[in-house]
Amino acid sequence: RKEVEQDPGPFNVPEGATVAFNCTYSNSASQSFFWYRQDCRKEPKLLMSVYSSGNEDGRFTAQLNRASQYISLLIRDSKLSDSATYLCVVNRGNYGGSQGNLIFGKGTKLSVKP
Amino acid sequence: DAEITQSPRHKITETGRQVTLACHQTWNHNNMFWYRQDLGHGLRLIHYSYGVHDTNKGEVSDGYSVSRSNTEDLPLTLESAASSQTSVYFCASSESRGTTYNEQFFGPGTRLTVL
Repeated sequence: RKEVEQDPGPFNVPEGATVAFNCTYSNSASQSFFWYRQDCRKEPKLLMSVYSSGNEDGRFTAQLNRASQYISLLIRDSKLSDSATYLCVVNRGNYGGSQGNLIFGKGTKLSVKP
Repeated sequence: DAEITQSPRHKITETGRQVTLACHQTWNHNNMFWYRQDLGHGLRLIHYSYGVHDTNKGEVSDGYSVSRSNTEDLPLTLESAASSQTSVYFCASSESRGTTYNEQFFGPGTRLTVL
């Protein structure tokens, strides 16, 4: 199993649609989970951290299932401005001092159309 | 406002030349990282540092080196540039807060072309 695996997409959806992204990770010792957003030719930016109980930020909802090692991101009422690549990110866990290191998925591309 | 900057933003160089990419952060973060991003590979870690005088190799460190003489800067050096090192390079930093929620903040990137 790859360290962090995502469906590369692209997901092409109309404005107003609800879209869900999924991600699996292989290291059961990972403790930090994030979704980053990356616009074309720009740097990745933190969208939201993912907490064990699940968390919501406006139209965005993130869920974590530790037993299945699975993370999800739900975007409701999609906007044109949501078009970007969404990166699933997991910390490396307790690998000899590398706890601060993050592992990035390759990303899922979202294109929201009018 | 605190920020992380990279220079140059674009660089074209020739095979065999030494190249240094600068990264400067004003977050006062202890942790700093260098990544490269290529199509089909996502972000791959080159080197990282958890504090002054600390440096560690990442998954793709061959041909690269870093040094950390202060908190703010982590320059990345390509000892002898190769065409395979043509890529977009991102620098990032994060706080030292143990193992949880240590999100990283990224610089704008340097687009390097090796001819």
